[in-house]
Amino acid sequence: DGGITQSPKYLFRKEGQNVTLSCEQNLNHDAMYWYRQDPGQGLRLIYYSQIVNDFQKGDIAEGYSVSREKKESFPLTVTSAQKNPTAFYLCASTGWGTGELFFGEGSRLTVL
Amino acid sequence: KNEVEQSPQNLTAQEGEFITINCSYSVGISALHWLQQHPGGGIVSLFMLSSGKKKHGRLIATINIQEKHSSLHITASHPRDSAVYICAVRSGTSGSRLTFGEGTQLTVNP
Repeated sequence: DGGITQSPKYLFRKEGQNVTLSCEQNLNHDAMYWYRQDPGQGLRLIYYSQIVNDFQKGDIAEGYSVSREKKESFPLTVTSAQKNPTAFYLCASTGWGTGELFFGEGSRLTVL
Repeated sequence: KNEVEQSPQNLTAQEGEFITINCSYSVGISALHWLQQHPGGGIVSLFMLSSGKKKHGRLIATINIQEKHSSLHITASHPRDSAVYICAVRSGTSGSRLTFGEGTQLTVNP
């Protein structure tokens, strides 16, 4: 079945460490997104990519980095420069033709 | 003012009641999604609309492009409908920009 796989589901990190969240899709979607969700709040865009080897900053890109070397994969690195990284992170993808929108199950990052 | 506004923020209903959640937006859009987020955090797309009305089971979604307004209706609500419902609009080049509402927390009591 087609879908988006995010890993890990739960992640604990010490302050000062970088962590990378994985996002893989087998939907043949061109566009992929990373969002952050804090308790009781809406989704905020971190980065998005419309094609391979190209990506754009979203509203809260500081302290994060991404790559898009393959169409299927869009990993997010939360760097030590991100001042408040504890949050729920969601990856999404969409196809231009169908407009269908899929989300991963999310990754919950806790900084100790 | 947010580009996408949802109301109400919180909604509590008794099982069997008819529920309406509203979404207003201020930008030109190519499509609108209604999404459902369960307590575990995963999000699923319920509907994508660019005009008119869609129905799936007990869920009905409508959109009025001229008035920049959409509604999600749940008929004969059930406790398993309890979730956060999110409105998201597509705009920009090729509809690549997604803007989300803050969500509506729905609780349906037995």
